[in-house]
Amino acid sequence: GAVVSQHPSWVICKSGTSVKIECRSLDFQATTMFWYRQFPKQSLMLMATSNEGSKATYEQGVEKDKFLINHASLTLSTLTVTSAHPEDSSFYICSAKITSGQGGTQYFGPGTRLLVL
Amino acid sequence: KNQVEQSPQSLIILEGKNCTLQCNYTVSPFSNLRWYKQDTGRGPVSLTIMTFSENTKSNGRYTATLDADTKQSSLHITASQLSDSASYICVVSLQTGANNLFFGTGTRLTVIP
Repeated sequence: GAVVSQHPSWVICKSGTSVKIECRSLDFQATTMFWYRQFPKQSLMLMATSNEGSKATYEQGVEKDKFLINHASLTLSTLTVTSAHPEDSSFYICSAKITSGQGGTQYFGPGTRLLVL
Repeated sequence: KNQVEQSPQSLIILEGKNCTLQCNYTVSPFSNLRWYKQDTGRGPVSLTIMTFSENTKSNGRYTATLDADTKQSSLHITASQLSDSASYICVVSLQTGANNLFFGTGTRLTVIP
């Protein structure tokens, strides 16, 4: 149980285009999902927290207009990288939490590799 | 300040040998500590989870220890295999907060034949 999927697993795009990444909780409902970014040889860095039906909360330094997050249902959150540039190339990982509010366990997706040319 | 530090940063061992990875944290109030294995290009996969009252927990060849007094944890891998080559990340959870995870920078383990 508690499986989180991401789609696509990797994507290559031209600079200036937008890319959408999906994160799904397959066998549970997730009121809260998280989006992380990971650069080579570094640990995961939290980008934003999204709660179903409300606006995402972005970490300091993360541009909300560039990284659009939509959490329209209890099993799906999407991250759209708008007008992507080469510096946005990274490994994007989502996680989903089973219980809302305090505590809870986060389950991670397999990640999406983004390469912007 | 809530922090999680891991050592060593990287480690190379021969197949079949044992190794121990370290994690020190200053996260408070502490809820639990997890060790994750992250293969290159993949998301983290949980190996063990330990709460305040637990000292040792095993998962196959992986054994985690926790000393809540000194705020230290270790992950011991026995009889290493080539497939153990990965990054091992220590993650400490707060008792409160919607986002309550603090990540270590990981230890990159390479097992060579």
